[in-house]
Amino acid sequence: DQQVKQNSPSLSVQEGRISILNCDYTNSMFDYFLWYKKYPAEGPTFLISISSIKDKNEDGRFTVFLNKSAKHLSLHIVPSQPGDSAVYFCAAIPNRDDKIIFGKGTRLHILP
Amino acid sequence: NAGVTQTPKFQVLKTGQSMTLQCAQDMNHEYMSWYRQDPGMGLRLIHYSVGAGITDQGEVPNGYNVSRSTTEDFPLRLLSAAPSQTSVYFCASSYDPGISGNTIYFGEGSWLTVV
Repeated sequence: DQQVKQNSPSLSVQEGRISILNCDYTNSMFDYFLWYKKYPAEGPTFLISISSIKDKNEDGRFTVFLNKSAKHLSLHIVPSQPGDSAVYFCAAIPNRDDKIIFGKGTRLHILP
Repeated sequence: NAGVTQTPKFQVLKTGQSMTLQCAQDMNHEYMSWYRQDPGMGLRLIHYSVGAGITDQGEVPNGYNVSRSTTEDFPLRLLSAAPSQTSVYFCASSYDPGISGNTIYFGEGSWLTVV
């Protein structure tokens, strides 16, 4: 049973517009959430994170929103740039656990 | 600063052969892990370690073996390679991931093909 779900395998967004990537989770004991970005032939790199005690975290063009009641988080990229084209992984860390659980990823295409 | 180093980057194996994927980190991280990435499956945890001498299974441990004799190294062994193990393998490390704010660092990946 998949605990972290990214239901959109791909997403295309016009350059300059907002990109919204969604992630749902099933385990209410998740304590910490992260977003990773991955380019082809490279390892994933950390993008932004949010603790379960917060509902928003912002870092430059990237903002992550957490809705605990809906078990949903989203990553907003504003404005989208060509270099944002990559696969984005949502990940979660359960409370008092050391496992990091990743979603299947969403491939973001930024269109010129 | 090398970060997380994986070798080899590419490998072709015959079914039934064994091999070891090497992973080393120079950041003195306690937590290390191995993931495999398959199309449409995301990153799945194979094995992880919270410190030297301690290992545990992830989501897909079958067919793989690990050991953690030092803080720096976390090799992944394929005991008898099968075509189903054709994948891209990523090693990762961090300070205690259960503590918020700790970034997880990934290696560049090892492409393994089993024929």
